Amino acid sequence: DTGVSQNPRHKITKRGQNVTFRCDPISEHNRLYWYRQTLGQGPEFLTYFQNEAQLEKSRLLSDRFSAERPKGSFSTLEIQRTEQGDSAMYLCASSFAPSTDTQYFGPGTRLTVL
Amino acid sequence: QKEVEQNSGPLSVPEGAIASLNCTYSDRGSQSFFWYRQYSGKSPELIMSIYSNGDKEDGRFTAQLNKASQYVSLLIRDSQPSDSATYLCAGSPNTGGFKTIFGAGTRLFVKA
Repeated sequence: DTGVSQNPRHKITKRGQNVTFRCDPISEHNRLYWYRQTLGQGPEFLTYFQNEAQLEKSRLLSDRFSAERPKGSFSTLEIQRTEQGDSAMYLCASSFAPSTDTQYFGPGTRLTVL
Repeated sequence: QKEVEQNSGPLSVPEGAIASLNCTYSDRGSQSFFWYRQYSGKSPELIMSIYSNGDKEDGRFTAQLNKASQYVSLLIRDSQPSDSATYLCAGSPNTGGFKTIFGAGTRLFVKA
């Protein structure tokens, strides 16, 4: 499978715990995006990488959220001290700039905070 | 005011009809616009991208952009039940697709 992959697909955690999600983009893609989507809403931009550089982080993202993309390959999104309001689908997408801005989405990680 | 606004629907059309989906955006700096389709429980997939004023056609889909009116639309001709999904409109400040802002989506039902 050469598409974007995300792990785990589902995560249930208790409030206050830390969670980490992984995204593996399409291999030649240099841009990687993280989004959060709740029921009935469109994906909400969280952060964006060009290669290993994190170029923008949403002002809506609290300090409990951090993302990394070491060596410009896979990326991780960590949420510290989870809250019930963090329950959502976390989507990763990748694209190859500048030849195309088509973002290919992964299947997402569904987080449930109890 | 939301940056990208869509009617949440649901929009219901009979099979074979034209479905018309609309979107407005507030950021005049937006240069690139996208329509994504999202089936229930799945991730979004790109249908069309449009950058210039006017129409862009791809098979049964036509995207229309009017930057003066800050308006984007998607027409689906010969609608099929398999087109039933949520359609997400998105905009980006440059042609690189950087920081894409999505609308909440319009649910489309195509009745057989």
